[in-house]
Amino acid sequence: GNSVTQMEGPVTLSEEAFLTINCTYTATGYPSLFWYVQYPGEGLQLLLKATKADDKGSNKGFEATYRKETTSFHLEKGSVQVSDSAVYFCALCNNNDMRFGAGTRLTVKP
Amino acid sequence: EAQVTQNPRYLITVTGKKLTVTCSQNMNHEYMSWYRQDPGLGLRQIYYSMNVEVTDKGDVPEGYKVSRKEKRNFPLILESPSPNQTSLYFCASSPGLAGGVYEQYFGPGTRLTVT
Repeated sequence: GNSVTQMEGPVTLSEEAFLTINCTYTATGYPSLFWYVQYPGEGLQLLLKATKADDKGSNKGFEATYRKETTSFHLEKGSVQVSDSAVYFCALCNNNDMRFGAGTRLTVKP
Repeated sequence: EAQVTQNPRYLITVTGKKLTVTCSQNMNHEYMSWYRQDPGLGLRQIYYSMNVEVTDKGDVPEGYKVSRKEKRNFPLILESPSPNQTSLYFCASSPGLAGGVYEQYFGPGTRLTVT
C-alpha cells in the first residue's frame, strides 16, 4: 500500500541555520508528493508539491526534489527564520489515495 | 474569500451524546474529506467524498458517519462518541484528486474532547 515516513521531531534550530526534514515514501506507480505546513492554531496549507520524478517544488525559500530512485522528497531551506516555526507534513497522492506522514515540529530560536 | 469553515472549533462532550461537526466550502470543490490528527500519528483519513451523494471510508471510519447531500457541505457525525475519539479534526476540500494535481484546502480544525 501507500505510505509516507518522515523524520521524527521535534527539530530545534537557530535562526539562519540550514534545515533538512527527511521524507521517504512507499507507493506503486507514480505518486504526486507534497509538503504541507501547519502553523500554530491553524489548518494545514500547501507549501510545495512535485508531480513527477526529478521535479523540484519550491516556495518561500523551501525546496524539495522528487527522487524516484531513492523514493524520497526531503524538504530543505538554506536559512530558517523564527516565522518558519511550524509542523511540516510530507504527503503523497496515488490513485486518489491521500497519505500523510506523522509530521515534524520545527522550532526556530532567535 | 475562498475558504473551508468548520464548526464548532472547540467541543467538550460526554460519552454517548451524539454530535455533528459541520464543514462547508465555498469553492465549488467536488472532493471533500475528513481527517483526525493525533500526536505521533499524523493525519488519518476518516471518510472522503468524490462528489455529491458519493462517500467512501478512509483508514479510520469506525464510530463516524458522513453525508454529502449538497456539494458545499460535508458534516461529520459521531452517533455515540467515546473517549478514544478525542482528537483534532480537519475537513479538507479540493477540485478533485486527479492523481495529485490539485492541492487540498483545509479548515481551521475542531478540537473535540470526549469525557
